Amino acid sequence: EAGVTQFPSHSVIEKGQTVTLRCDPISGHDNLYWYRRVMGKEIKFLLHFVKESKQDESGMPNNRFLAERTGGTYSTLKVQPAELEDSGVYFCASSLGTARFFGPGTRLTVL
Amino acid sequence: RKEVEQDPGPFNVPEGATVAFNCTYSNSASQSFFWYRQDCRKEPKLLMSVYSSGNEDGRFTAQLNRASQYISLLIRDSKLSDSATYLCVAQAGNFNKFYFGSGTKLNVKP
Repeated sequence: EAGVTQFPSHSVIEKGQTVTLRCDPISGHDNLYWYRRVMGKEIKFLLHFVKESKQDESGMPNNRFLAERTGGTYSTLKVQPAELEDSGVYFCASSLGTARFFGPGTRLTVL
Repeated sequence: RKEVEQDPGPFNVPEGATVAFNCTYSNSASQSFFWYRQDCRKEPKLLMSVYSSGNEDGRFTAQLNRASQYISLLIRDSKLSDSATYLCVAQAGNFNKFYFGSGTKLNVKP
């Protein structure tokens, strides 16, 4: 069974540009989560979808971040415009029950 | 104050050693707990859930102490392949949010 996949694996952009990250959860998993790890800090929650609905977006840093999950399958996370402090690794995870299964992450570098 | 605190290490141990990590959590209402393992530049992978009665999976034993609000992970007979960062996770809140510790780095040396 395929795991959670994320695209791209790496992205290097300049401050002010836009980047869109994609996550494909494990097939059949209604719950989809976005997390972020910035250098030297712990992994932090961004938001949680149940199917296509945002269940909890309390971790989103500001309105430069927009997450969507149209149709309840894959999800995108757009950062517009990107700032230097947005650099980090963005992980997506999915679950049926309690335990989350993580994707390989997208390493975002904002110059 | 962080929700979950871990000693960052690194813990440098020889092969065959027994090593233990602790983790403390601040929210007494936390419901579930997990240990994840993360290799360098890889995603976190579930190692084991932590149950109130304690649980064991091969060389790994996890314990939960609700009164003192800490979780432990014991690794027996360490292997080189156990070298990784171990992340402690507490789940709490209305939406079962995951709170991660910053991880404990383990280096197992020949």
